[in-house]
Amino acid sequence: DGGITQSPKYLFRKEGQNVTLSCEQNLNHDAMYWYRQDPGQGLRLIYYSQIVNDFQKGDIAEGYSVSREKKESFPLTVTSAQKNPTAFYLCASSIIGSGETQYFGPGTRLLVL
Amino acid sequence: GNSVTQMEGPVTLSEEAFLTINCTYTATGYPSLFWYVQYPGEGLQLLLKATKADDKGSNKGFEATYRKETTSFHLEKGSVQVSDSAVYFCALSYNNNDMRFGAGTRLTVKP
Repeated sequence: DGGITQSPKYLFRKEGQNVTLSCEQNLNHDAMYWYRQDPGQGLRLIYYSQIVNDFQKGDIAEGYSVSREKKESFPLTVTSAQKNPTAFYLCASSIIGSGETQYFGPGTRLLVL
Repeated sequence: GNSVTQMEGPVTLSEEAFLTINCTYTATGYPSLFWYVQYPGEGLQLLLKATKADDKGSNKGFEATYRKETTSFHLEKGSVQVSDSAVYFCALSYNNNDMRFGAGTRLTVKP
């Protein structure tokens, strides 16, 4: 079955630690996205990528980094510079085009110890 | 800029009641409009979409009509079930990388 997988489901971060969230898709989509969701709020875009080895900052990129070495994979690193990392992180993918549907993974919940 | 405003929740209904969740948007041009649903602890699932004025999106008994004159895309269902309990997000997309989401409306359906 085609889809998007995210791992782990839960992740714990200690002070000063970088952590990496995995996102893999087998939908053959060119575009991939990372969103942050806080309780009672909508989704905010962190980073997006439309082609391998290229990515762009979204609205809240500070304290985060990404890479896109393969079309299928778009890992997100939450760095120690992100002072309030506790949130639900969602990865999505889509084909390139205007107004195209984005398809979401199951999410990773990041908690700070 | 492009933005979406949806009615605040939570919304609590009895089973078989009629559901409306209001959504209005602000956008330049003609965006595509979406409703996504999120069940507890899960990602977002596409519920329905409409890509041009007067289009009606529908799925699983839910409907929404793209109203350009009122810049609205209200979600409706004639008879809700307990299994419809979830958070519903209205969203618009004009360019591929610029999908804007509303804050979400939590729906609880009681037996």
